[in-house]
This record gives sequence, C-alpha cells and structure tokens, in this order.
Amino acid sequence: QVQLQESGPGLVKPSETLSLTCTVSGGSISSYYWSWIRQPAGKGLEWIGRIYTSGSTNYNPSLKSRVTMSVDTSKNQFSLKLSSVTAADTAVYYCARVIKSIGFGELFDYWGQGTLVTVSS
Amino acid sequence: SYELTQPPSVSVSPGQTARITCSGDALPKKYAYWYQQKSGQAPVLVIYEDSKRPSGIPERFSGSSSGTMATLTISGAQVEDEADYYCYSTDSSGNHRGVFGGGTKLTVL
Repeated sequence: QVQLQESGPGLVKPSETLSLTCTVSGGSISSYYWSWIRQPAGKGLEWIGRIYTSGSTNYNPSLKSRVTMSVDTSKNQFSLKLSSVTAADTAVYYCARVIKSIGFGELFDYWGQGTLVTVSS
Repeated sequence: SYELTQPPSVSVSPGQTARITCSGDALPKKYAYWYQQKSGQAPVLVIYEDSKRPSGIPERFSGSSSGTMATLTISGAQVEDEADYYCYSTDSSGNHRGVFGGGTKLTVL
C-alpha cells in the first residue's frame, strides 16, 4: 500500500520560503507524476503543480513565479518550495500521486494526510 | 485562467438523489474527476474519467458529462455522504494545468 507523508516546518515567517518534503513509502516514486495541493482553512482545494520523476514540472500560473518542485528518486521523495510567502499562503498542504489519462486528464489516487503551514511573524 | 464552477451548496433528505454540477469550457475535451472530502480528512476520489467509479466506492455514486458540464449524482444519498465535493480537471493548454472547482457542501438531513 502506497503511503505519502508530508514533512516540514509548520511555521514560516512572511517573505521567507516555505519548504516541504513528501516521502513515498510502499512503492517506487519512479515513473509517476506527483502533485502538491493546498487548502486554506475553510476554503477549497488549490492545485499547486506537478512533477515527473524526470524532473519535468508544471505549475499553477498564479503561483508559478514563486514555486519550485524537485524530486529525489534515491530517497523516494519530492519537494515543494514556495518563496516570498504571505499570510495568504497559510494552508494545509497535501502531496498526492498522479495517474494520468494522457491528454485527457489525471487523478490523484494516493494522498498524504496533509500538513498545516502557517505564515506568521 | 481556467475555472471550474460548482454550486456552493446542495441539500437533500436521506434517500433522495443529490446532483452536483461542475461547469468548465474545456470539459468537452477533458475528463472530470470528483473528490469527496470529509471534515479534517484528505480528499477521496469517488468518480474518475467522467463516469467511472473506483473500487470501494458505493454504487449510488455516479457521474456523467455533457458539453461543458459534468455532474456527480448520488442516488439515495445517505447521512454519511454529507461532505464537501470537488470537481477537478485540466485546462486545454499544452501543459494541462490542473484546476479544482470551488467545492460544493452536500448536506443530507
């Protein structure tokens, strides 16, 4: 059974960089796409972006200038960095595995439990 | 930027049929996916590729798509189906960027 676990600081100061890692267990990270999704308290889900194990990425246009995703196949991990954070970036951040229907869509079949990141001084 | 539009809330009595819609310009060319999220939990996939049901999802959950609208139908809604439901799809750009609908709170009482 594939399991995902987010890790990283729960508190980040404004203007600094949010850094999270998702560790995949129970299966290989290779040959899959992986995504980050976030959810502010009481609000909806927001797709942040996806990364393939080759390192190829696609980002949400609204966050693209501040987002960097990376993957470390040797550790079965992938990561998210979000720079210049503000209070608006306070949210539960989820990592998820992507299964693509090439050209037509994709689903998220395994999710992490989510980790709350608060942006505050 | 691409958007998917859902009604904020839907309310039904137990045993009734709940229908949640999701509209988006790219839906004629892209699949819709539906996620159920209960309070404090990660989302769970209930419908994929417009109308397919993952194993373990009750048969009362079904999906359809026509033109620019996808619909999640819960036939004979149960109290335990009360949750937030999100549609998800990708845009028609070459990067297939993902987007969630705003979510629909389903109340069953």
